[in-house]
Amino acid sequence: GAVVSQHPSRVICKSGTSVKIECRSLDFQATTMFWYRQFPKKSLMLMATSNEGSKATYEQGVEKDKFLINHASLTLSTLTVTSAHPEDSSFYICSAKRTGLYEQYFGPGTRLTVT
Amino acid sequence: SQQGEEDPQALSIQEGENATMNCSYKTSINNLQWYRQNSGRGLVHLILIRSNEREKHSGRLRVTLDTSKKSSSLLITASRAADTASYFCATARLQGAQKLVFGQGTRLTINP
Repeated sequence: GAVVSQHPSRVICKSGTSVKIECRSLDFQATTMFWYRQFPKKSLMLMATSNEGSKATYEQGVEKDKFLINHASLTLSTLTVTSAHPEDSSFYICSAKRTGLYEQYFGPGTRLTVT
Repeated sequence: SQQGEEDPQALSIQEGENATMNCSYKTSINNLQWYRQNSGRGLVHLILIRSNEREKHSGRLRVTLDTSKKSSSLLITASRAADTASYFCATARLQGAQKLVFGQGTRLTINP
């Protein structure tokens, strides 16, 4: 168990448009999900913590109006990159955790390219 | 800010040899976790060691934790080509333990 999916796996969009990325926990309920950003050959940078039914908690330096997070159900969180610019091009990864446990289960990631 | 520092940044060994990766961190932790990432993919959870544990095993993996030195090591024994990946340590702090802070990672290459 503990499978997390992400969709789409790759997306190319034009500058100024918005892109939505979905993160789903397929076989467990996740009250908490996380969104990370990873630059090539670099580590993961936590962007925000997504809590089901409440507002996301953003890390310092992450613009909440640019990276909109919605965690509407126990199995789905979405990240919308609004008015995307080329500098938003990156690998975005979500993770989910079971209530009461510390391990995080990661999605396969979404490669966003903004042209 | 990134808490974990890992060394080496890259490690290349022959199949069958053991691989050791180290991780250091700065603040007190609730637990430390190791993850593996294959190129362009998500991360896979390998093992979690709590702050009151000193050593933990899982198959060919052995993890140690020294809280006095704020360091951990991951040993992969009898390495295989399929072990080629990046390995990250991640720490869960005492306050807000559900969040993880990742190290910079070690790129491990197993040569056949």
